[in-house]
Parts: sequence; structure tokens; C-alpha cells
Amino acid sequence: RKEVEQDPGPFNVPEGATVAFNCTYSNSASQSFFWYRQDCRKEPKLLMSVYSSGNEDGRFTAQLNRASQYISLLIRDSKLSDSATYLCVVTSGSARQLTFGSGTQLTVLP
Amino acid sequence: NAGVTQTPKFQVLKTGQSMTLQCAQDMNHEYMSWYRQDPGMGLRLIHYSVGAGITDQGEVPNGYNVSRSTTEDFPLRLLSAAPSQTSVYFCASSPTPSGRSDTQYFGPGTRLTVL
Repeated sequence: RKEVEQDPGPFNVPEGATVAFNCTYSNSASQSFFWYRQDCRKEPKLLMSVYSSGNEDGRFTAQLNRASQYISLLIRDSKLSDSATYLCVVTSGSARQLTFGSGTQLTVLP
Repeated sequence: NAGVTQTPKFQVLKTGQSMTLQCAQDMNHEYMSWYRQDPGMGLRLIHYSVGAGITDQGEVPNGYNVSRSTTEDFPLRLLSAAPSQTSVYFCASSPTPSGRSDTQYFGPGTRLTVL
């Protein structure tokens, strides 16, 4: 079983749609949680951290459920520029190494 | 600041050749790491360093060596290239090991093909 699992998609949605991505992790001792965004053939960039209380950044909302070991990302009012691969990331270990999910591909259609 | 830089951007090797992928950062970050990204696999940690003179293995270290003689540089050496090492390699740095508020900054990547 992979340590961090995501639905690979692809998700094809029209502009303005709301889309949700899910992620599960297997290590109950994981310490920190993130969503990264990766554009085609580019490096990953941090989108947002994920907290148990839930957090929002504009059109993006992230949630963490430690009991279920589940992380989610909600994108409202999708824009063409949201088209990318979204990577679920958790940290663990004394050096807080990052473990990446394989990513969920999103295409927002005009 | 240039951030995290990687050279070369593209490289083709023959099986058995050796080479060094360069990574440098000018942000005075203590923590640096190397990942490889393969289709459908996500990024996997190869080696990491928590400071100059200190390195450790990640999830997939076999066939790779690293050293950290300065804070700025963290080269990755392929000892004897194999086709299984065909991948995209990303270097990353952060002020400290990733925590609640620390961001990892990634370089633009090196695309390596081993024939």
C-alpha cells in the first residue's frame, strides 16, 4: 500500500465548477500536511498547508481529518489557470521528510 | 535571489556512465534534498541533508551518492547510470526540515535519459 494515496484523475471540469480532491495517508505519526501544485513539466510549488481546523485561501479550502487519516482540497469557481496536477504531501520522521502522493490531474475547460 | 538552481536541464547518458547533477541555493537554507519523479509514482526522496557535512538516505538511495561540503551546494552523483535511473530529478531546499510553516523550494528539475 502506498504511504500517500490520491485519485489520479484526470478531472475535467468546466470553468466555474467546484471540484474536490481527496487523499489518504497510512502513517498515523505523520506530522504536517500540504497541498502542492505542479504545472506540466515544472517544479512543484506549495499551494497551502493543511490544518486540523481546516483552512481557506481564497477559492481553495483544505481539510484534515487525523482520525480517518484523510486530507481534502476543495477548489471553488474553477479558473482555466487552475489546470495542473495537485500533489498531496505529508511529513514524517525526525527530519520531517516529505512523502508525496502521485498527484491528481485537473483540467479546467472553457 | 536566484533561489534553487539546477544544472544541467537535460542530459542523455549511456549505461555505465557517471555524472553529477548540480544543485545550488542562495537562501542560506540548512535543509536540502533530492527527489526523482517518475510517471504515476509521485516524487520519491533519494537523499537529504540537514546541514553542511550531514547527509542521509531517503526512500530510493541506491545508485546515488551525495555530499554537502557547503551550505549552498548539494550535488547528486550517479555512479554507473542505468536505464532505471531515467527520470526527472528535483532538488529542494528549506530553512529547516519541513514543518507547519516551512516551505520547500524546488529547483526547475533535470531531465535525465539513460540509454
